[in-house]
Amino acid sequence: ETGVTQSPTHLIKTRGQQVTLRCSSQSGHNTVSWYQQALGQGPQFIFQYYREEENGRGNFPPRFSGLQFPNYSSELNVNALELDDSALYLCASSYTGGGGYTFGSGTRLTVV
Amino acid sequence: AQSVAQPEDQVNVAEGNPLTVKCTYSVSGNPYLFWYVQYPNRGLQFLLKYITGDNLVKGSYGFEAEFNKSQTSFHLKKPSALVSDSALYFCAVRDPSKAAGNKLTFGGGTRVLVKP
Repeated sequence: ETGVTQSPTHLIKTRGQQVTLRCSSQSGHNTVSWYQQALGQGPQFIFQYYREEENGRGNFPPRFSGLQFPNYSSELNVNALELDDSALYLCASSYTGGGGYTFGSGTRLTVV
Repeated sequence: AQSVAQPEDQVNVAEGNPLTVKCTYSVSGNPYLFWYVQYPNRGLQFLLKYITGDNLVKGSYGFEAEFNKSQTSFHLKKPSALVSDSALYFCAVRDPSKAAGNKLTFGGGTRVLVKP
């Protein structure tokens, strides 16, 4: 059974740029969620994808967008990066109707 | 709206002593409750969950948690702490109603320091 894999592990971007983060779901899971964890805080829900459609969103602006692919892998895209976007971005996969979530190790994004 | 509170920013305990990390929650329906641990520069590692059934849940690495519906609490416990348990611990809740989706709401985290 494979876990959740995120890439890249670290990334440095300049304010105003765009970034794409990637996530491969755990085998058998059909739902992907993304979370932002700022330094010293708990993870905050960004959005969730099921059957390639967004079906839940937290309090994040539209410049945060995503995709889910037929193999259940996912991308998080952030446009017009701001300094406050610097954080650890976590991907979690789960199976709708099940109770468990498997998290990846995260992508550390630094915006300078 | 669902929410989670972890009232202690840090818990210090001597190795071999019992460890308790507190969590209270607020959710409209019957909650799904989770505990995760995070080591420096790493993702979240699952410890245990409560969905239904026995209020005492046993998880990984000797951890357990007790669901208390009347007090809306889900405290994490370990009878004998190890230095290697030093990490950041997060409690999370999910409202299982369809309208809420699969969203997890996390507490702010509690740093555990186990001293030799």
